[in-house]
Amino acid sequence: GQNIDQPTEMTATEGAIVQINCTYQTSGFNGLFWYQQHAGEAPTFLSYNVLDGLEEKGRFSSFLSRSKGYSYLLLKELQMKDSASYLCAVMDSNYQLIWGAGTKLIIKP
Amino acid sequence: NAGVTQTPKFRVLKTGQSMTLLCAQDMNHEYMYWYRQDPGMGLRLIHYSVGEGTTAKGEVPDGYNVSRLKKQNFLLGLESAAPSQTSVYFCASSYSEKVTGELFFGEGSRLTVL
Repeated sequence: GQNIDQPTEMTATEGAIVQINCTYQTSGFNGLFWYQQHAGEAPTFLSYNVLDGLEEKGRFSSFLSRSKGYSYLLLKELQMKDSASYLCAVMDSNYQLIWGAGTKLIIKP
Repeated sequence: NAGVTQTPKFRVLKTGQSMTLLCAQDMNHEYMYWYRQDPGMGLRLIHYSVGEGTTAKGEVPDGYNVSRLKKQNFLLGLESAAPSQTSVYFCASSYSEKVTGELFFGEGSRLTVL
């Protein structure tokens, strides 16, 4: 079967750095997405990786290793507004998105 | 700048009742999707559409029907609601599933079936 694994919950301190990991086993690979979802709101797109390496976008970076079936989302200079769930999703060989259950990130002052 | 709009936002149904969720997008996207989101689980695809007049089953289609009569609208119907269908439903759209484009989500519709 296909599955996406990410930690259920993480806690970090305002101003710090946090890394959210995602491992996947899917039938083929056509890219990996990270979405942010604040409580009670819709998911919003953060990043897309299809090649190995690091993609940087402001305070957020996303890394991919296809050989290891592994990605991480790195959040720097954490702000209280970063408290949210972060969803990892992989597009399989049929271009279907497989979603992880999400990681709830709690930021403490 | 509406994007993707879902109605209603909240609904409570009794077992056996029927209802329709409406999704409208103003971005001229070809692809539209209906997902459900349950605690501790990833988003699960119910049905999707690759263009006006087309629909296809996703991962969890049983108990739901859909229609895409107009490009901008995608309707999700529950003919006979069951408590297992209590969930938050998200509609999403994209320009193309095969392009690295993002999904644009509606605000969600919270459905409770008693």
